[in-house]
Amino acid sequence: GAVVSQHPSRVICKSGTSVKIECRSLDFQATTMFWYRQFPKQSLMLMATSNEGSKATYEQGVEKDKFLINHASLTLSTLTVTSAHPEDSSFYICSAGTSGGREQYFGPGTRLTVT
Amino acid sequence: KQEVTQIPAALSVPEGENLVLNCSFTDSAIYNLQWFRQDPGKGLTSLLLIQSSQREQTSGRLNASLDKSSGRSTLYIAASQPGDSATYLCAVGIGNTPLVFGKGTRLSVIA
Repeated sequence: GAVVSQHPSRVICKSGTSVKIECRSLDFQATTMFWYRQFPKQSLMLMATSNEGSKATYEQGVEKDKFLINHASLTLSTLTVTSAHPEDSSFYICSAGTSGGREQYFGPGTRLTVT
Repeated sequence: KQEVTQIPAALSVPEGENLVLNCSFTDSAIYNLQWFRQDPGKGLTSLLLIQSSQREQTSGRLNASLDKSSGRSTLYIAASQPGDSATYLCAVGIGNTPLVFGKGTRLSVIA
């Protein structure tokens, strides 16, 4: 149990285009989902926290108009990178937690390359 | 603000050695501490989760300890194998709050 999927696993896009990444909890209801970003040889840094049905909370320095997060259901959150630039190339990982749960469950990540 | 530090940043050992990875955190008011493994270009694999009321957890050749009062955790790997080569990440938090990650220890086990 407690499986989180991400789609796509890898995407290459041209500068200026938008990319949507999906994060799904397959066998549980995720009241909260988190989006992290990992640059090469760096650790995971939190980008935003999203609760189902409400607006996401973004970390300082993360542009909310550039990284659009939607958490419309208890099993799906999406991250849209708008007008992507090469510096947005990174590894994006989502995780999901349950109300009162003790653990977060991580997706396999999405490798974004902007050319 | 919680900060997590991992030492060493990189470690290379011959196969068969026992080794210890260290993790320290600045705010002892944590709920959980979790150790993950990350292979190059891949996602996270959860290895061990220690709840704040626990002092250690074991899984196979892995043993993780937690000392909240000193703000430290260790991950002990017994009889290391080349397949253990990966980056090991330590993170603190709880289910519905963001995890704070250390920068990781890159482990290489040489056959």
